[in-house]
Amino acid sequence: EAGVAQSPRYKIIEKRQSVAFWCNPISGHATLYWYQQILGQGPKLLIQFQNNGVVDDSQLPKDRFSAERLKGVDSTLKIQPAKLEDSAVYLCASSRQRRHVRNEQFFGPGTRLTVL
Amino acid sequence: EDQVTQSPEALRLQEGESSSLNCSYTVSGLRGLFWYRQDPGKGPEFLFTLYSAGEEKEKERLKATLTKKESFLHITAPKPEDSATYLCAVLSNATSYGKLTFGQGTILTVHP
Repeated sequence: EAGVAQSPRYKIIEKRQSVAFWCNPISGHATLYWYQQILGQGPKLLIQFQNNGVVDDSQLPKDRFSAERLKGVDSTLKIQPAKLEDSAVYLCASSRQRRHVRNEQFFGPGTRLTVL
Repeated sequence: EDQVTQSPEALRLQEGESSSLNCSYTVSGLRGLFWYRQDPGKGPEFLFTLYSAGEEKEKERLKATLTKKESFLHITAPKPEDSATYLCAVLSNATSYGKLTFGQGTILTVHP
């Protein structure tokens, strides 16, 4: 079974520029998550999709971050404009369904973003 | 608000020297506690889920236990390949959405 795929793996941009990250979850997984992991910290949930609908975006900085999940499969996370404090690893994860008791989330390799 | 605190922040062991990592949590109704392993430059890798106090799970040299306030990850006779960051996360009954709250992690280094 293929894992969660993410691209690009690394991205370096100047502040105030825009950037987009792509995620392809495990086949058949209805729930998709985007996390932000700052160096030395645990992952922090930014947004969660159930199929193609948003179920939690309470910690997403909506003035600059946006995300979509077209057709309930792939997802894109965008930052526009980027700030220095956005430098982090952006992790995508997926799980079978949100209400499943065994809600193991499977993570992709992440995209390391550096904002200069 | 759910909170997870892991200790120590970093742990250095000699190969074969057993030890434990701690995960203390406060949550409004625990639905599950998760342990993940994260290697440098990679995403977290799922290890265990614990659901109720008294539950234990084992995988190779790792054993996870759960009480009402904390979880321990016991590492028996570790090897250098066990070096990684170990993350703990909780899933509470307060949310129906499967939102995990992570601790900051414990960086484990095992020297040969």
